[in-house]
Amino acid sequence: EPEVTQTPSHQVTQMGQEVILRCVPISNHLYFYWYRQILGQKVEFLVSFYNNEISEKSEIFDDQFSVERPDGSNFTLKIRSTKLEDSAMYFCASSEESGTGPYTFGSGTRLTVV
Amino acid sequence: RKEVEQDPGPFNVPEGATVAFNCTYSNSASQSFFWYRQDCRKEPKLLMSVYSSGNEDGRFTAQLNRASQYISLLIRDSKLSDSATYLCVVRRMDSSYKLIFGSGTRLLVRP
Repeated sequence: EPEVTQTPSHQVTQMGQEVILRCVPISNHLYFYWYRQILGQKVEFLVSFYNNEISEKSEIFDDQFSVERPDGSNFTLKIRSTKLEDSAMYFCASSEESGTGPYTFGSGTRLTVV
Repeated sequence: RKEVEQDPGPFNVPEGATVAFNCTYSNSASQSFFWYRQDCRKEPKLLMSVYSSGNEDGRFTAQLNRASQYISLLIRDSKLSDSATYLCVVRRMDSSYKLIFGSGTRLLVRP
């Protein structure tokens, strides 16, 4: 079964440092997403990406965040200057061309900001 | 008001029990509905989509009431392996097709 792959599985970084979280979506999917889940809280939408541009972003996705699809296979989330409150699980997801089918989520990157 | 509301639980039931979870959503523009399952510190995994006519997948039955903006999940003959958090999820058919998650209902199935 096709998978969404995320790396690294766990990243520890110092406050103020930049981090890049990487995702390889399913190859024939065209809609890409980042979600995050702070420990003990619900899964929250960050950003959606389609046709090489952001289609929607949440209030959480401020100027410290950016996304990129640099090479047609990878989909990255960059946090420019991490804060303690950025500590969370970050999930990448993709869905098929129509956008209406179920998502496939990656296994997540646990980001710990110290 | 939260867009998707669920009883957080936990529901603590014996093996073999039938358990039902409820969920309400506030945005009438919501168009697609799902139940996801999430194990501790893992990614959400699709359990089943929810259709207006109701649908069943083995021991799992999902119902949707659009008029009441209410979604339910029934699990029959609970197994130990059903222990997890069950997430009610809605999707609005806007430009991004993003998913809106409830906070989840925790289920503990005991021997």
